[in-house]
Amino acid sequence: QKEVEQDPGPLSVPEGAIVSLNCTYSNSAFQYFMWYRQYSRKGPELLMYTYSSGNKEDGRFTAQVDKSSKYISLFIRDSQPSDSATYLCAIGDYKLSFGAGTTVTVRA
Amino acid sequence: ETGVTQSPTHLIKTRGQQVTLRCSSQSGHNTVSWYQQALGQGPQFIFQYYREEENGRGNFPPRFSGLQFPNYSSELNVNALELDDSALYLCASSLVAGGNYEQYFGPGTRLTVT
Repeated sequence: QKEVEQDPGPLSVPEGAIVSLNCTYSNSAFQYFMWYRQYSRKGPELLMYTYSSGNKEDGRFTAQVDKSSKYISLFIRDSQPSDSATYLCAIGDYKLSFGAGTTVTVRA
Repeated sequence: ETGVTQSPTHLIKTRGQQVTLRCSSQSGHNTVSWYQQALGQGPQFIFQYYREEENGRGNFPPRFSGLQFPNYSSELNVNALELDDSALYLCASSLVAGGNYEQYFGPGTRLTVT
């Protein structure tokens, strides 16, 4: 069993839709949760960083953590074509365990 | 503020050869981590360097080694290259302080082994 499971998609949505991305993890000791965005042939860009269960909002992005279910989510509101990328969840501390990434396409 | 930089951008090597990849950490950061990202996969942790010493290692063989220099820049060395070493190699820098584990990635070095 992988430490972090993420549906690879692909996910295609119309512009303005809400994008919902999810990951599950197996190690209950994990304390820190991150979401990265990666454009094709580029390095991952840190979008959200959370520590505890609950919600964290930053502009159009909302990250949710449910430690009891070992489940994390990222929501993108009012999606734009520029949001088209691969989204990676990452969990851990000094050593990050990543999901495989979900490829998202936002259609204009 | 200068971000994480990596060199070279692309590299083609032959099986059995050795390669050195370089990383300059973000200004103010003291820790460098290296990850390997195969096509269509998430990054896999190779190791981390803090205060010029290895501070944790993933499931990679000893032919993957590294260095961190006093200015916090870092090198990743891979000996006896294998075809499966073809991947995007990512460097991430962070400031280890007060339980903050945010890591910021460079653009990566794409290594092709033929």
